[in-house]
Amino acid sequence: QSALTQPRSVSGSPGQSVTISCTGTSSDVGRYNYVSWYQLHPGKAPKRIIYAVTQRPSGVPDRFSGSKSGNTASLTISGLQAEDEADYFCYSYAGNYIFYVFGTGTKVTVL
Amino acid sequence: HVQLQESGPGLVKPSETLSLTCTVSNGSLTNYYWTWIRLPPGKGLEWIGYIYYSGTTNYNPSLKSRVTISVDTSRNQFSLKLSSVTAADSAVYFCARAFSPESLEYWGPGTLVNVSS
Repeated sequence: QSALTQPRSVSGSPGQSVTISCTGTSSDVGRYNYVSWYQLHPGKAPKRIIYAVTQRPSGVPDRFSGSKSGNTASLTISGLQAEDEADYFCYSYAGNYIFYVFGTGTKVTVL
Repeated sequence: HVQLQESGPGLVKPSETLSLTCTVSNGSLTNYYWTWIRLPPGKGLEWIGYIYYSGTTNYNPSLKSRVTISVDTSRNQFSLKLSSVTAADSAVYFCARAFSPESLEYWGPGTLVNVSS
C-alpha cells in the first residue's frame, strides 16, 4: 500500500505559521475522519499532537491545529517556536484490508 | 502517566527472527490496543500491527506472513516477532498504546534493530 504524501520539508521563522499537507485517497483520508499527527524529535518518544482530524490532546499547545478537505489533511503550526523543529507524520485508517497508513513525513525547520 | 519501553537485541542476523518486548508501566493493558510501528533509516513510519488486550490482532498485509504480536497481561508486556528478517527490516521499532487503534496516544522511545551478519 502507498504511504500518504507529505512535503519533504517546510520552514518558517519564529512566530510565523506553517502548514503541512497529507494527501491520501478516497479510501483513506477522504473516507474516514481518523487522521492523526505525530511529532518526532530524535531520540525521544513520538508525541501525538492531533487526532480525529481536528482534536488536540490535553497538554498540546493550541498553536497546533488540524483540518481536512477531500483527500488531504493538514496540520498548521501557528506562532512557530524553536521547539517545534521536528519531523511530523500523519496517520490514517485505510479500511479493513490495509488498516493503517502513515505519511511520508515532513521535517519542519525553524529558521 | 503510562510509560512504554521497548527492549530486545539490537543486532539480528539475516533469516533469523527479530524479537522485541514492550513493557508497560503505570497502567494496565486492559481495554487498549497495543501497536508496533517501525522507522527504517531515511524512510517514513510503517504500521506493523496491533493486538487488543483480549488477544485480537491485525497486521500490515505486507508483513502479515512474518509477524506475530502477542500479549502477556501477567507481566504487563506485549511482544513482536518478525521472522526471516533481511536488511530491509533494519529500523527503529516503536511500541504504542491506543484506546482506538487509529490514534496512538503514548509511544515508547524506540529501539534500534540492525539486521546484519
